[in-house]
This record gives sequence, C-alpha cells and structure tokens, in this order.
Amino acid sequence: EPEVTQTPSHQVTQMGQEVILRCVPISNHLYFYWYRQILGQKVEFLVSFYNNEISEKSEIFDDQFSVERPDGSNFTLKIRSTKLEDSAMYFCASGRYDEQYFGPGTRLTVT
Amino acid sequence: AQSVTQPDIHITVSEGASLELRCNYSYGATPYLFWYVQSPGQGLQLLLKYFSGDTLVQGIKGFEAEFKRSQSSFNLRKPSVHWSDAAEYFCAVGEASGGSYIPTFGRGTSLIVHP
Repeated sequence: EPEVTQTPSHQVTQMGQEVILRCVPISNHLYFYWYRQILGQKVEFLVSFYNNEISEKSEIFDDQFSVERPDGSNFTLKIRSTKLEDSAMYFCASGRYDEQYFGPGTRLTVT
Repeated sequence: AQSVTQPDIHITVSEGASLELRCNYSYGATPYLFWYVQSPGQGLQLLLKYFSGDTLVQGIKGFEAEFKRSQSSFNLRKPSVHWSDAAEYFCAVGEASGGSYIPTFGRGTSLIVHP
C-alpha cells in the first residue's frame, strides 16, 4: 500500500540555521499539506498546496516558511532561519478532496 | 472559528471492554468530521469521516462514530478494545478550502489498554 514518506526522521539544528524537511507524497495525489505538532500540543495546519501553488496557509506560516514541489515527486518545507519555538514534529500529508494521508513526521529540534 | 474539544486527556480501559472517546465541536455550518489515530512513531491514520448522510459512520479497525448535531458531538466507539488499539486519538473538524479541506484538531486522547 502506498504511503507518504518523510526525511529525515529527526533533525537537530542551531538557531538561525536554515532547514529543509522533505516529503514524498503518494504519487497520484493532488493536494499536499504541512502540519506541525509542538510537544504536548495540538496538531496545527501550516499550509496546503495544489496545482503548484499555495492554496491556503495559516498564521503560523510566515515569511520564514516556504514550500516547494521541485521535481514533481518531492514536497519540501523550508524554514529560513530557525527559532527555538520552531522545535516540533512536522507532518506532511497528501490526499484527495475527502481524505488526507499523513507521513510519520520529522522531529525538528532547534538548539 | 471552528474548534474541537476532546475532554479526556487519558482513557484507560481493559482489553475486551467497550470504548467511547468524546469529541465536541464548534462550527457554524454543517461540519466535516474526522477521527484519526496516531501510534507511537507513526503519522496520523484516518479512522473514519463524516460528511453527510447517515449519522452513524463505520470506520476501519472496528471503530464507529455517531454525529449528533443537537449535542455538537462526534464520539468514537468500539465494542471491544484490543491491546493494539493503545494510541493517541484525534478528533478533527474540517473546513472546506480550495477544493480540499483544512482540519482543526483537538488536543487528543491517549488510550491506555490494560491486559
């Protein structure tokens, strides 16, 4: 059964550094998403992507964040200059209109 | 704005016992409602969803949920819990956006299963 994959599983970075989190969505899906979950808190929506452009983004998704689908298979989330409060689990999801399939997540630790 | 409340942070049940996880939502229109499960080290897996129609929804792994508009609830149930059901359960309400939907998640309920 196809599944969403994410790399790396754990990323440690220093404050102010750029990080890129990678996701390979399920191949025939058209909608792509990033979520984050700060430890002990809710899963929060960051951004959705459709037809090669952002279709929706939350207040969290500020200018420090960007997404790309560079080669038609990967879907990346870039954080330009990480802050301590960016430490969280980041989930990628892909799907159709009525279902989203989540990846296992990347744990980002900013020190 | 839409919101979801899962009033129970932890629920402990014995294997073989029945289970009900509570979820209350706040949303102005007819909601899209979901239950997801997250096992340790895994992503969120969709258990079931409600968009319209029959208010009793069947999902995977023997779970079901009932949409009660009058109570703004969408409680998840299972008649007999297995040890493998121990996980974190998230209720979500979805808002249609750009041909898809954006879910707002509750804080989650951690299910502990005793042998």
